[in-house]
Amino acid sequence: AQSVTQLGSHVSVSEGALVLLRCNYSSSVPPYLFWYVQYPNQGLQLLLKYTSAATLVKGINGFEAEFKKSETSFHLTKPSAHMSDAAEYFCAVRTNTGRRALTFGSGTRLQVQP
Amino acid sequence: DTAVSQTPKYLVTQMGNDKSIKCEQNLGHDTMYWYKQDSKKFLKIMFSYNNKELIINETVPNRFSPKSPDKAHLNLHINSLELGDSAVYFCASSQGGFGNTIYFGEGSWLTVV
Repeated sequence: AQSVTQLGSHVSVSEGALVLLRCNYSSSVPPYLFWYVQYPNQGLQLLLKYTSAATLVKGINGFEAEFKKSETSFHLTKPSAHMSDAAEYFCAVRTNTGRRALTFGSGTRLQVQP
Repeated sequence: DTAVSQTPKYLVTQMGNDKSIKCEQNLGHDTMYWYKQDSKKFLKIMFSYNNKELIINETVPNRFSPKSPDKAHLNLHINSLELGDSAVYFCASSQGGFGNTIYFGEGSWLTVV
């Protein structure tokens, strides 16, 4: 079975500061990994995904994530936070031996202080 | 054009009532899903259909019944609503391989009073 752990349910950064949201996965087979963002009262939007090509993945809105197999991690980063980045962020995993559905982490709420 | 659309977006209803949430996708995908997001924002898969065939049926009460009349539609019917059913229900769809993106609808906010 696959699972995802997101460390830190709340992260607060200042505008312009580095954003780092942590995600560790557990899977016995190569995983597909995803980051989604949810703005208040909205659905989930894909930020980026890892599908076994390049380990450094660039996404929308200046976000990127690096797949590190040795650390079983897929942390999300952005060099400079913007007020509009305030949202809930979800890491998710899927494998080709499991169900088609995504298994989500518990989410991290990002606050951006002016 | 909205890719995955759900109706209604907001629903307030009394305990014991029966309600349905409808979902349609215009992406031509072969797989659709229902997810439930609880008050702590945790997202959990409930059901999934692939080409109208039920392929995921998580441990949810029998009061919840999905129906897929065709590949583009997946509805969720809930009988005898309980307070604990209050949540946001997301419909989603995807195509083919496991690395492909799952697209989500805007959610249906269900409040049972």
